[in-house]
Amino acid sequence: EVQLVESGGGLVQPGGSLRLSCAASGFTFSGYEMNWVRQAPGKGLEWVSYISTSDRTVYYADSVKGRFTISRDNAKNSLYLQMNSLRVEDTAVYHCVRGGILDYWGQGTLVTVSS
Amino acid sequence: QSVLTQSPSASGTPGQRVTISCSGSNSNIGSTTVSWYQQLPGTAPKLLIYNSNQRPSGVPDRFSGSKFGTSASLAVSELQSEDEADYYCAAWDDSLTGWVFGGGTKLTVL
Repeated sequence: EVQLVESGGGLVQPGGSLRLSCAASGFTFSGYEMNWVRQAPGKGLEWVSYISTSDRTVYYADSVKGRFTISRDNAKNSLYLQMNSLRVEDTAVYHCVRGGILDYWGQGTLVTVSS
Repeated sequence: QSVLTQSPSASGTPGQRVTISCSGSNSNIGSTTVSWYQQLPGTAPKLLIYNSNQRPSGVPDRFSGSKFGTSASLAVSELQSEDEADYYCAAWDDSLTGWVFGGGTKLTVL
């Protein structure tokens, strides 16, 4: 069974940093592209970032470019999102999502940016 | 403002057929396939349709997708109360080099 379990969310002040992690199991992690997608409270879905299987290719939404960094450790079956210079508008549930068709989603971890 | 455009709401009675539309542009829907996601209250989104008209294993054949030009649609036939959820369309955008989503359609079963 495919499982994606996010962790690392919490309350942080504007300008602060957080590192999200996603533990993957039930599939060959190294064989899949991965993404982060977020959902602000009561709002729709917003794609955040993409990473290729070998992490040679990464893409970011304009709203996070220069502040967030996606990475992966295929040996640990893990995906990461380093979030710096956080803003109030980054408040959302962050989902780890598998593949080029976004076929499996984790339950998400809540990031709250507030003073 | 979402890149893909969806009507914010749709509704139908049990047994009816409802269609949800999604409008994009040549850089997204017009040049690639569309995915649809169902989000039940308090849960993570679930893939419903991929490659514009393919259903993953386990998704009932009451759900069907289609694409024409820069628009796509999701049809839900034989509507059931359990279909009440938010539905999102998505596609890869070559100009933005990223996934784009519709704003979501809240489907209400009356």
